[in-house]
Amino acid sequence: GESVGLHLPTLSVQEGDNSIINCAYSNSASDYFIWYKQESGKGPQFIIDIRSNMDKRQGQRVTVLLNKTVKHLSLQIAATQPGDSAVYFCAENIAGANSKLTFGKGITLSVRP
Amino acid sequence: NAGVMQNPRHLVRRRGQEARLRCSPMKGHSHVYWYRQLPEEGLKFMVYLQKENIIDESGMPKERFSAEFPKEGPSILRIQQVVRGDSAAYFCASSNPAGGNEQFFGPGTRLTVL
Repeated sequence: GESVGLHLPTLSVQEGDNSIINCAYSNSASDYFIWYKQESGKGPQFIIDIRSNMDKRQGQRVTVLLNKTVKHLSLQIAATQPGDSAVYFCAENIAGANSKLTFGKGITLSVRP
Repeated sequence: NAGVMQNPRHLVRRRGQEARLRCSPMKGHSHVYWYRQLPEEGLKFMVYLQKENIIDESGMPKERFSAEFPKEGPSILRIQQVVRGDSAAYFCASSNPAGGNEQFFGPGTRLTVL
């Protein structure tokens, strides 16, 4: 079936380094993608989104890259900080449809001091 | 400017009891979504509601689960005759159709079935 999945379950990085979190999607109809951050005991928090008519979008310290050819999504976090430690999810849906989000399994980012 | 609110935050039920989870969307939001998260997994869509209407319930189990979003008051996710497999975190999200696709999530209700 169609799904959104993540390549790695955990990622450990040194404070100050850049982090890259990858995600694969398989629903060719999806044209809106979102990265969420979830801290322990809390709900998902929106980080950044991107529509399929874009390849790259930048926020504050974060960048999302979309490669539609290989159906790949990545989140780059610059100068990773201890506060970035959390579980990160990619999610997809069909833009304009106000429809359900399909989430990947999640990857844990651990920042070493 | 309060975000999405959910209560209770933690709920403990014995097998066979009923669980009622409440969600108040952000001010101005008329769309509500419920998701379930099992330990070590991502969120799974359950149901999408607008005021007084169920738009998509494709993720809802066929039995024991129901949801509503009345004209007044919070959205309710109801689980009848709970079983241990219902233990999970249940998250509500809301969106404003005029504001795009972004869904804002509440803090979740953690249901434990003994």
